[in-house]
Amino acid sequence: GEDVEQSLFLSVREGDSSVINCTYTDSSSTYLYWYKQEPGAGLQLLTYIFSNMDMKQDQRLTVLLNKKDKHLSLRIADTQTGDSAIYFCAWWEAPGSARQLTFGSGTQLTVLP
Amino acid sequence: GAGVSQSPSNKVTEKGKDVELRCDPISGHTALYWYRQRLGQGLEFLIYFQGNSAPDKSGLPSDRFSAERTGGSVSTLTIQRTQQEDSAVYLCASSLEIQGGPNYRAFFGQGTRLTVV
Repeated sequence: GEDVEQSLFLSVREGDSSVINCTYTDSSSTYLYWYKQEPGAGLQLLTYIFSNMDMKQDQRLTVLLNKKDKHLSLRIADTQTGDSAIYFCAWWEAPGSARQLTFGSGTQLTVLP
Repeated sequence: GAGVSQSPSNKVTEKGKDVELRCDPISGHTALYWYRQRLGQGLEFLIYFQGNSAPDKSGLPSDRFSAERTGGSVSTLTIQRTQQEDSAVYLCASSLEIQGGPNYRAFFGQGTRLTVV
């Protein structure tokens, strides 16, 4: 099995940078993902990183992957009130013969004006 | 369709009743997942379908839960004799199972909010 740790809450001021962290203990996943869930909505794929990359930049989003420490982070530059949501890290696991998308517990980001 | 469609969006049922939740995946997606999200918590894997293979039911919490996927497309999650602890948002996702490909990711529906009273 595997465990994922995410900080449950994060508050930042509008315009500041946000960093959301995710630590996992085991993964054979080719891709790792960040999903965003806004209140009352489903999950939306924000970005992903290929497992042989250290960093991926996508507009205001920067994903960092440290495979040695099994640490994934999402940095949001110039955070806006519309970024307030729950953010989940996720990856594909293959327990036995099946594959399933495994999620962290989520970090609730609150952006203060 | 353009995205994953789930119905109903909201369901209120009495304890002890059976409910059926429907998921219509993106056309051509061979993999389909059901997750449960309790209030304020993360996603809990329930069941996974991949093509014509036997489904992975390892996440189903009890024998009151079952799911079918007919014709490799639409899926129905059935909860029998509902209990209050079944109250949650049930999310469905589909994906193209192309390992290592850029489309190897899941697309989620909006979910069905189930309330057992």
